[in-house]
Amino acid sequence: GNSVTQMEGPVTLSEEAFLTINCTYTATGYPSLFWYVQYPGEGLQLLLKATKADDKGSNKGFEATYRKETTSFHLEKGSVQVSDSAVYFCAPPESGAGSYQLTFGKGTKLSVIP
Amino acid sequence: DADVTQTPRNRITKTGKRIMLECSQTKGHDRMYWYRQDPGLGLRLIYYSFDVKDINKGEISDGYSVSRQAQAKFSLSLESAIPNQTALYFCATSDSRNLDEKLFFGSGTQLSVL
Repeated sequence: GNSVTQMEGPVTLSEEAFLTINCTYTATGYPSLFWYVQYPGEGLQLLLKATKADDKGSNKGFEATYRKETTSFHLEKGSVQVSDSAVYFCAPPESGAGSYQLTFGKGTKLSVIP
Repeated sequence: DADVTQTPRNRITKTGKRIMLECSQTKGHDRMYWYRQDPGLGLRLIYYSFDVKDINKGEISDGYSVSRQAQAKFSLSLESAIPNQTALYFCATSDSRNLDEKLFFGSGTQLSVL
């Protein structure tokens, strides 16, 4: 099955700093890739996705590019804000016999300080 | 109103007790999932259901059971709770008609087993 390796946290940054959270995966074929975000006290919600190789997903100033050659989907943001403090999860889907479920990375906790 | 509703939000119980966590959804999705979240371990899949008559074990199903009472309802039971089942539990849904199969999460149930 598929698996994902995500950069361990926690990560603490000052406001307006550049953010990178690394994610690499092993997968059968080239599935869609996702980043989910979990704000304090809430469930996970989709942040962005990329459905094919070389595709770039973006949302709320975050970007991630689906790089087939390095099997990576690193999350980046040029200037983080305090409101970006959350836990971020990388997730490739698992496919087999037409069924899907998601395997999640362990999550990276980001704290942004003013 | 939330699309994916979990009850209760918090629960404290004693070792050996049977408890049930409930999940209902108004999204009309056919697939439902139960995950647990533990610090440093990310999200792990307990059970998933692709329709009312299709129940599958996930990565960590031992000590848990589920019931898909209707398309909109998916409950998780701990037959005899033990302290290492203390965790944050999430229900999620997805729509098999969507190729990218993104998940929609409830707000979680914090369970403490004393």
